[in-house]
Amino acid sequence: QLVLTQSPSASASLGASVKLTCTLTSGHSSYVIAWLQQQPEMGPRYLMKVNSDGSHSKGDGIPDRFSGSSSGAERYLTISSLQSEDEADYYCQTWVTGMGVFGGGTKLTVL
Amino acid sequence: QVQLVESGGGVVQPGRSLRLSCAASGFRFSNYGMHWVRQAPGKGLEWVAVIWYDGSIKYYADSVQGRFILSRDNSKNMVYLQMNSLRVEDTAVYYCARYGVGSVIDYWGQGTLVIVSP
Repeated sequence: QLVLTQSPSASASLGASVKLTCTLTSGHSSYVIAWLQQQPEMGPRYLMKVNSDGSHSKGDGIPDRFSGSSSGAERYLTISSLQSEDEADYYCQTWVTGMGVFGGGTKLTVL
Repeated sequence: QVQLVESGGGVVQPGRSLRLSCAASGFRFSNYGMHWVRQAPGKGLEWVAVIWYDGSIKYYADSVQGRFILSRDNSKNMVYLQMNSLRVEDTAVYYCARYGVGSVIDYWGQGTLVIVSP
């Protein structure tokens, strides 16, 4: 069974960078995942998809500060030059035949 | 631009039914599958169901299998979620979302709140 694992929380200072991780269960390291951002009281927003080879393609209007990468079963979201509006919940998502799968989400605090 | 607008949420008693609607615009609706995803208060995202671009295939989460029914009308750019035998644990914001290229969900609506309460 495919499970996406995320740390519950992360924090970084204004103007700094942060790298969030989404880990796929063993045997599923080839899967594409999507990164989503959910700001307080808002619906989710698609940021990008990240392939197993580390390539990524961003959604419409997503700033260059957001980038994706990959290593083995891990998929990363890096946010540079952190701004206050980056404080949000971040989810990873994928699809396995017959079922959508979400990670538990990481709450990012910008200090 | 892509827009997804959900409607039909509200307060309902356990055991009753509710139908959610999602109006899509800004893209060729008949080319895309559509998902429903929900989020209980203070919780994470939970996938609910997906319908293929032509309605030929539907998948449901175990938690709603047999109670929820997905349908779509490509002539109206609409997708529907019929929710029957509602339970208190179905209380959530329900999001309509587009099934994009590469098995990811790439556009989301703003959600509609469903409260199931005695």
